[in-house]
Amino acid sequence: DTAVSQTPKYLVTQMGNDKSIKCEQNLGHDTMYWYKQDSKKFLKIMFSYNNKELIINETVPNRFSPKSPDKAHLNLHINSLELGDSAVYFCASGQGAYEQYFGPGTRLTVT
Amino acid sequence: QQQVKQSPQSLIVQKGGIPIINCAYENTAFDYFPWYQQFPGKGPALLIAIRPDVSEKKEGRFTISFNKSAKQFSLHIMDSQPGDSATYFCAASKTGRRALTFGSGTRLQVQP
Repeated sequence: DTAVSQTPKYLVTQMGNDKSIKCEQNLGHDTMYWYKQDSKKFLKIMFSYNNKELIINETVPNRFSPKSPDKAHLNLHINSLELGDSAVYFCASGQGAYEQYFGPGTRLTVT
Repeated sequence: QQQVKQSPQSLIVQKGGIPIINCAYENTAFDYFPWYQQFPGKGPALLIAIRPDVSEKKEGRFTISFNKSAKQFSLHIMDSQPGDSATYFCAASKTGRRALTFGSGTRLQVQP
């Protein structure tokens, strides 16, 4: 059973388009996250949701909008995609403030 | 502001060697220090973690050493194997902030 799953695995799109990435966790965790890994492999928090409530928004452009329909799902919608948005986006989940488990990632390429 | 500094950037060891990866942090409010292992094309996987009330933790071939006064912690991999070749990230978090602050990563290559 996959603990944290993301779709799609790869996403290639043109500048200006809008796209969404979906994430689901079956671990029963109360907190979900989105992280961005850039071309130099640096990992940085974007958003954190606890019980469907946004608790961290780490100075991310408002073109990025997370949505959590329930505790097991956290989707990421990106408007007006830019070249600089190209990266790998990881969803993660955790119970409490500590251990976090990551999904397989979505590689977004904006052309 | 890089709150968690990791070194070296890359590391090559022979099979059976003991690679050591070091991290230093600035924020004394950090109270949880995990290490993640990432293979190409995969997500980071939690390897081992430590809290500041202990100075060392071992899990299998992986050991974390923690020095609270120096604000440093390190990962040691005993009897390293080619299958350990991956990128390793240290991270830190604190009570009340549900997010990890990552180091910049160390690419480890274990040669047969």
